[in-house]
Amino acid sequence: GAGVSQSPSNKVTEKGKDVELRCDPISGHTALYWYRQSLGQGLEFLIYFQGNSAPDKSGLPSDRFSAERTGGSVSTLTIQRTQQEDSAVYLCASSLEGGGGRAQHFGDGTRLSIL
Amino acid sequence: QQQVKQSPQSLIVQKGGISIINCAYENTAFDYFPWYQQFPGKGPALLIAIRPDVSEKKEGRFTISFNKSAKQFSLHIMDSQPGDSATYFCAATDTGRRALTFGSGTRLQVQP
Repeated sequence: GAGVSQSPSNKVTEKGKDVELRCDPISGHTALYWYRQSLGQGLEFLIYFQGNSAPDKSGLPSDRFSAERTGGSVSTLTIQRTQQEDSAVYLCASSLEGGGGRAQHFGDGTRLSIL
Repeated sequence: QQQVKQSPQSLIVQKGGISIINCAYENTAFDYFPWYQQFPGKGPALLIAIRPDVSEKKEGRFTISFNKSAKQFSLHIMDSQPGDSATYFCAATDTGRRALTFGSGTRLQVQP
């Protein structure tokens, strides 16, 4: 079956521009997560969705970062007024909830480069 | 308390040897400990996971050993192959929070 799909796979933008990153989770997965992977900071949690609500936003680094999820499926991570330190790979993961559904399955990420 | 400490940072093993990667945690609320394998340009792929009610779990050549009292867990890769060359991450989470806390990663190189 299809895995977690992320788009675009690569994004290059100028400092100060806004960017939107998209995640399509595995069908039927109710939980969705965004993480960021950078050389200096490793893999960091950003935000967790259960359905369309986000009970844990504790990892968002600043108010320039926001995310939404609609229809319990697709999610968009938006970064406003991008800074060079935002350059990283942004990873999305999804999981089933309940029972043995703790396994998080990752997409291949969006590599974001801020010039 | 949310940290997961992983070692070594890099590891070179001969083909057929055993690769061992170690992780330690502080948060006693953690109740799920997965290991991920990541190849360049790809997302992390779930390899194997364990819960604290068992001390060992084996899947093929991959084994997790878990020591609850020491708050440590490790990944053993038996009969290591060049195709196992990748970066490995340990992680932990708890029922309440769900977000994974990752170790810093181990770059494994298996020499033919």
